[in-house]
Amino acid sequence: EAGVAQSPRYKIIEKRQSVAFWCNPISGHATLYWYQQILGQGPKLLIQFQNNGVVDDSQLPKDRFSAERLKGVDSTLKIQPAKLEDSAVYLCASSLRAAGVGINEQFFGPGTRLTVL
Amino acid sequence: AQKVTQAQTEISVVEKEDVTLDCVYETRDTTYYLFWYKQPPSGELVFLIRRNSFDEQNEISGRYSWNFQKSTSSFNFTITASQVVDSAVYFCALTKGSGTYKYIFGTGTRLKVLA
Repeated sequence: EAGVAQSPRYKIIEKRQSVAFWCNPISGHATLYWYQQILGQGPKLLIQFQNNGVVDDSQLPKDRFSAERLKGVDSTLKIQPAKLEDSAVYLCASSLRAAGVGINEQFFGPGTRLTVL
Repeated sequence: AQKVTQAQTEISVVEKEDVTLDCVYETRDTTYYLFWYKQPPSGELVFLIRRNSFDEQNEISGRYSWNFQKSTSSFNFTITASQVVDSAVYFCALTKGSGTYKYIFGTGTRLKVLA
């Protein structure tokens, strides 16, 4: 079974530039998550999708971050314009479902390491 | 509010030593789930274990064991006879047991196993 795929693996940009990350979850997983992991910290949830609908985006800086999952499969996360403090690893994860009866563990992709200069 | 505390920032042990990673959590929910994930240098978080709040039975999986104590709000992780391949950052996480499952991660413990 293929895991969660993310691209690119690394990205270096200058502040005020734009950047986009792509994620393809495990086949059949309805729920997709984007996390931001700053060096030395645990992952922080940015946004959570259930199929193509947003379940939780309370910690997404909406003035500069956006995400979409148009067909309920793969997803893109965009930052425009980037700031120095956005330097982090952006992790994508998926699970069978996010709510209801029973819980499924999340499976994580390798992440995209973003450096903003 | 939910919170996960991993007070140990970094631990170094010599190969074959046993090591325990601490996790203390806070939640007002009566039903919740606790997790441990491993993050090797490659960066990908690897699921290790899930435990629900109604199951306080300790679990052993090979060299790994977990001690869940609701009385102290702790979910500690022990590696017996550590190996160099165990070197990684380990995260404890918490989510409530109903509604939408939003993971709250601790800050992680970096384990270095020296040969």
